[in-house]
Amino acid sequence: ETGVTQTPRHLVMGMTNKKSLKCEQHLGHNAMYWYKQSAKKPLELMFVYNFKEQTENNSVPSRFSPECPNSSHLFLHLHTLQPEDSALYLCASSQGQGSQPQHFGDGTRLSIL
Amino acid sequence: DQQVKQNSPSLSVQEGRISILNCDYTNSMFDYFLWYKKYPAEGPTFLISISSIKDKNEDGRFTVFLNKSAKHLSLHIVPSQPGDSAVYFCAAPDGGATNKLIFGTGTLLAVQP
Repeated sequence: ETGVTQTPRHLVMGMTNKKSLKCEQHLGHNAMYWYKQSAKKPLELMFVYNFKEQTENNSVPSRFSPECPNSSHLFLHLHTLQPEDSALYLCASSQGQGSQPQHFGDGTRLSIL
Repeated sequence: DQQVKQNSPSLSVQEGRISILNCDYTNSMFDYFLWYKKYPAEGPTFLISISSIKDKNEDGRFTVFLNKSAKHLSLHIVPSQPGDSAVYFCAAPDGGATNKLIFGTGTLLAVQP
């Protein structure tokens, strides 16, 4: 069992749909992250949660809405996305922030039609 | 402006030889660096790290070298194995309030049997 589990692995949705990405970590970590990876670009940090509190919103459009009900679960709610939002969305967790290595899930490959 | 740069998008090496992956950074305040490895359809996995108080850190076949004056670090893999074929990312915490990780764009390593 991997430490960080993301579902679904693949998602195709229209621009008017609403969907959610789910992340669960089984490592007892207290910090969780959402990243976006687009082709030929560095990993872009979207959101950071530390002990369920959002500590970073990296100028992400409001069509992406994160939710962290507890330290083990993280959601990314999606609505009215644009074609340029098609990307790999990665969740990660760490024990504390900063220098602690982050453990990543395998990502959700999102395609917007 | 990219603070962490990996200027070689790809590298091909013969099995058994040394692989050298390079990374440059622009912010002299960075004091900790991490390397991640990513296979297709999987999330990045932490490989090795180095603190700026050191100039070398070794873990089995993997060694990271840090040259602070040149703002350059490199990952050496020796001997290279076909299973090392993956994308390698270097990253550094930005030292800000949440100390978020800044990633390079990655280098695709192909180890030829």
